[in-house]
Amino acid sequence: DSGVTQTPKHLITATGQRVTLRCSPRSGDLSVYWYQQSLDQGLQFLIQYYNGEERAKGNILERFSAQQFPDLHSELNLSSLELGDSALYFCASSVDGTGGAGELFFGEGSRLTVL
Amino acid sequence: AQSVAQPEDQVNVAEGNPLTVKCTYSVSGNPYLFWYVQYPNRGLQFLLKYITGDNLVKGSYGFEAEFNKSQTSFHLKKPSALVSDSALYFCAVRAYGNNRLAFGKGNQVVVIP
Repeated sequence: DSGVTQTPKHLITATGQRVTLRCSPRSGDLSVYWYQQSLDQGLQFLIQYYNGEERAKGNILERFSAQQFPDLHSELNLSSLELGDSALYFCASSVDGTGGAGELFFGEGSRLTVL
Repeated sequence: AQSVAQPEDQVNVAEGNPLTVKCTYSVSGNPYLFWYVQYPNRGLQFLLKYITGDNLVKGSYGFEAEFNKSQTSFHLKKPSALVSDSALYFCAVRAYGNNRLAFGKGNQVVVIP
């Protein structure tokens, strides 16, 4: 158990809908990362927050947004969903958020299926 | 920009034989390098990392990796593979001061009994 909690584990929804994925980082970790894993694209970095502030942005679509709350949990919002958004979405956390040597600890992921 | 190449899609090895999973990286400046393992329907688990110093890094479950700066490689090794090592292995790189951790596409390792 990594200590990172993600909910829901599975989510099935229809095209055009909006969903919210939630992540609670390990106790003491200030940094939260979101990744998308799909068969064709591999593991793609979406966005990082550190202590409530956005620190790095990757291949995140404009239809997607995220935030980190004062209690350090994070939410990833996916809207106007398309079939191609079906993927496994991972949250990871680390103590460091400034490009240091700390490893990331991953949650079990949220599997999104868009029908 | 930073990137990782894992040239082989799948590595097949007999149980008890040495296991090697290859990784080369591209980064501006000095790298932090990581290996992760993913079992089916699970999150990624950290195996080991290279920060600085000794080029041979030892990690969890008997795995080790060798950093080679001239070849920009960070190959993962295990002297004697177990069936339970069958999983998806990811190499990742981060340049000093860069928040993003870039992952390779992953290598499926199949250990044959």
